[in-house]
Amino acid sequence: DGGITQSPKYLFRKEGQNVTLSCEQNLNHDAMYWYRQDPGQGLRLIYYSQIVNDFQKGDIAEGYSVSREKKESFPLTVTSAQKNPTAFYLCASKDRENIQYFGAGTRLSVL
Amino acid sequence: QQQVKQSPQSLIVQKGGISIINCAYENTAFDYFPWYQQFPGKGPALLIAIRPDVSEKKEGRFTISFNKSAKQFSLHIMDSQPGDSATYFCAASRTDSWGKFQFGAGTQVVVTP
Repeated sequence: DGGITQSPKYLFRKEGQNVTLSCEQNLNHDAMYWYRQDPGQGLRLIYYSQIVNDFQKGDIAEGYSVSREKKESFPLTVTSAQKNPTAFYLCASKDRENIQYFGAGTRLSVL
Repeated sequence: QQQVKQSPQSLIVQKGGISIINCAYENTAFDYFPWYQQFPGKGPALLIAIRPDVSEKKEGRFTISFNKSAKQFSLHIMDSQPGDSATYFCAASRTDSWGKFQFGAGTQVVVTP
């Protein structure tokens, strides 16, 4: 099945800890995105990547980092500098018709 | 700043009724307006989308109405069903912006039996 796979589904972070969220796609899309979803605030863009080895900050990049070493993979690290990391994180990729396809999300909580 | 404003925040409709969700945007350079449907614990999925060269698009029970001069667009769900209970997001983007979407805050729709 083609699609976006996010793991883990649930993640817990201890104070001062960095955690990495995985995002893998087999849709052969160049562009990939990370969003944060909080209740009542819609989706906010954290980082996006147009092509391998290139990525750009979105609207709320502080406290997050990404890498894009492979076309299929776009992992997101939530660093200890992100003081309010509790949220639902969504990864997406985009096709040439400008349609974004989303993964099932990772719910991050703080212990 | 919120470039896409969505209302209402929540909506309760009886089975068979019509659900209407409205969105307003500011940036006249936007040229792609999708609606996404999200069920609890899942990622959003594209429901229907429109470009500004048409004023209406219909797919099954779902219709987008688009008013370019007013910078508004809306989603109508006809003959609403309990399975339509979900959160709906409008979005807007420029085709040349590498898919950087501006999302509305979402509308939680509950369809009662």
